[in-house]
Amino acid sequence: SQQGEEDPQALSIQEGENATMNCSYKTSINNLQWYRQNSGRGLVHLILIRSNEREKHSGRLRVTLDTSKKSSSLLITASRAADTASYFCATGGNPYTGTASKLTFGTGTRLQVTL
Amino acid sequence: DAGVTQSPTHLIKTRGQQVTLRCSPKSGHDTVSWYQQALGQGPQFIFQYYEEEERQRGNFPDRFSGHQFPNYSSELNVNALLLGDSALYLCASSLGDRPASTFGSGTRLTVV
Repeated sequence: SQQGEEDPQALSIQEGENATMNCSYKTSINNLQWYRQNSGRGLVHLILIRSNEREKHSGRLRVTLDTSKKSSSLLITASRAADTASYFCATGGNPYTGTASKLTFGTGTRLQVTL
Repeated sequence: DAGVTQSPTHLIKTRGQQVTLRCSPKSGHDTVSWYQQALGQGPQFIFQYYEEEERQRGNFPDRFSGHQFPNYSSELNVNALLLGDSALYLCASSLGDRPASTFGSGTRLTVV
């Protein structure tokens, strides 16, 4: 079963604009990750944020995590046509039980960036 | 440094047949996980192999089985294929139980 929902399901913006995607999850987590998927192919790991972190940056990506609301957001600044893809959040299992590498994915946001 | 390699890229099978998908993990990784991704959905965890044993399993029937070899490569076998097994099958590798995984490009299975 899916861990949670991503919002919006689809997002269309113009190049240069910022794109914000949200992810909600159901259970307590140790970390949350964001992945990108182009055209139904493999997933590319973008960023990982741990449960004791509130915000993390990587290039044009900014991720926030609110464990009290069980939600995370991914912001892509100054978007480019090449950012067109599906974006998924994923939560890892419990490292104390050896399940940290078992990922539970959300439903994804399809981002379309037009010229 | 080669990433995760999956074969074949595409596969068409008939209902009731059996299929084997293959995965070679990223160099230095010893853990292989398999995911099923239906069209328009997020990937769902099938199972994970570590030290040639199934360490974790998701909510999939016994028709789904796997194997890990001493060189850490892995196979996913699906018996008695159903139309609903049509999906993109993704292999991911990691080092031990580290949370971040490297994914392959997937095998697109179509059951007709």
